[in-house]
Amino acid sequence: DAKTTQPTSMDCAEGRAANLPCNHSTISGNEYVYWYRQIHSQGPQYIIHGLKNNETNEMASLIITEDRKSSTLILPHATLRDTAVYYCIVRVEDNTDKLIFGTGTRLQVFP
Amino acid sequence: GAVVSQHPSRVICKSGTSVKIECRSLDFQATTMFWYRQFPKKSLMLMATSNEGSKATYEQGVEKDKFLINHASLTLSTLTVTSAHPEDSSFYICSATGYHSGNTIYFGEGSWLTVV
Repeated sequence: DAKTTQPTSMDCAEGRAANLPCNHSTISGNEYVYWYRQIHSQGPQYIIHGLKNNETNEMASLIITEDRKSSTLILPHATLRDTAVYYCIVRVEDNTDKLIFGTGTRLQVFP
Repeated sequence: GAVVSQHPSRVICKSGTSVKIECRSLDFQATTMFWYRQFPKKSLMLMATSNEGSKATYEQGVEKDKFLINHASLTLSTLTVTSAHPEDSSFYICSATGYHSGNTIYFGEGSWLTVV
């Protein structure tokens, strides 16, 4: 079973920041928080991951709370092409641990 | 990020026949590959995990004799759906990870299977 909970859906205006929350209250000390997104009829796309420090890359920022029980993915300037289902997943960072997908958050970016 | 490619992207087969889907890691050596299936408007369901040169480990409820997985090299894994039936119609997605992918898992584009 997925170890994360996310809102089912969210809306965001184009050009505004999209903040997607995720709860992972049972996360273990060696588990990372990963974010993927899936645009309709495509394979999931890796976005970002982190352990306890905040992370930023060209796609997004990841903010992890100090107790690591929740995190927020931030898309700083959402575009229409960011409309997708966003998945938050916890995983041990090694070659054997698998990704178990929950239901994700369906983000709709509107003009 | 690393590149994982699937082929074919779409396939239609007759009921009772077998169909093979290929998954390739193009720019890294994939020590572990994963296969998922996804029904419309549903999340991805993990089917099996395969390590190069070893037998695949199937998730509970997945028939290993029906969904044959081979991971014979560090860049190729195949999923063969044997004696396909209409209920096997689905979106099949592979993913891969390895030391040179930074242990991050990357996904292929997915393959639509329609059994008629």
